[in-house]
Amino acid sequence: DGGITQSPKYLFRKEGQNVTLSCEQNLNHDAMYWYRQDPGQGLRLIYYSQIVNDFQKGDIAEGYSVSREKKESFPLTVTSAQKNPTAFYLCASSIVTAGTEAFFGQGTRLTVV
Amino acid sequence: GESVGLHLPTLSVQEGDNSIINCAYSNSASDYFIWYKQESGKGPQFIIDIRSNMDKRQGQRVTVLLNKTVKHLSLQIAATQPGDSAVYFCAENIAGGQNFVFGPGTRLSVLP
Repeated sequence: DGGITQSPKYLFRKEGQNVTLSCEQNLNHDAMYWYRQDPGQGLRLIYYSQIVNDFQKGDIAEGYSVSREKKESFPLTVTSAQKNPTAFYLCASSIVTAGTEAFFGQGTRLTVV
Repeated sequence: GESVGLHLPTLSVQEGDNSIINCAYSNSASDYFIWYKQESGKGPQFIIDIRSNMDKRQGQRVTVLLNKTVKHLSLQIAATQPGDSAVYFCAENIAGGQNFVFGPGTRLSVLP
């Protein structure tokens, strides 16, 4: 059963701590993306990766970091430098970055307490 | 770049009526467009896509119209059902570009 899996579904973090969100896909897609969504708003691109060992900053990369050591995995670290990290985080993948549908995971809701 | 921080527009329709959701896209070089449906607390789901060499594409109960002259995209849902209640996003992919740009979304509420 192919798809894209994000974990955990809910995550709580204390201020000043780093936290890593997991994203795994078994669709054999080259491209992967991380988006942030705030209540009542659209999706904003944090980072994307076109291929293993390569990634690019999106519109709101400050305070976040990623790695792409394996094709299947694209973890996102929310660092303590991110001033307002409470949000809904969505991971997506597509065959390639241009002109193909992106499939989304079910999201991780991060709350800073 | 995409617009952020906007109040989410809402469309309310009676069950059984047709719905039309509109989207203005930003870049005349965009050549691929997708409509997504997002239910509360879930990730967006693909509904239908269209490439810039087409004006219209139909799926099951849905039709997407593309007007490149005015950079406008619309999603028509026939015989709207309660299960159609969700937020709908359009996304554009610029030719040769490396990621999708999403519109702010429209909340569709289906009234009984």
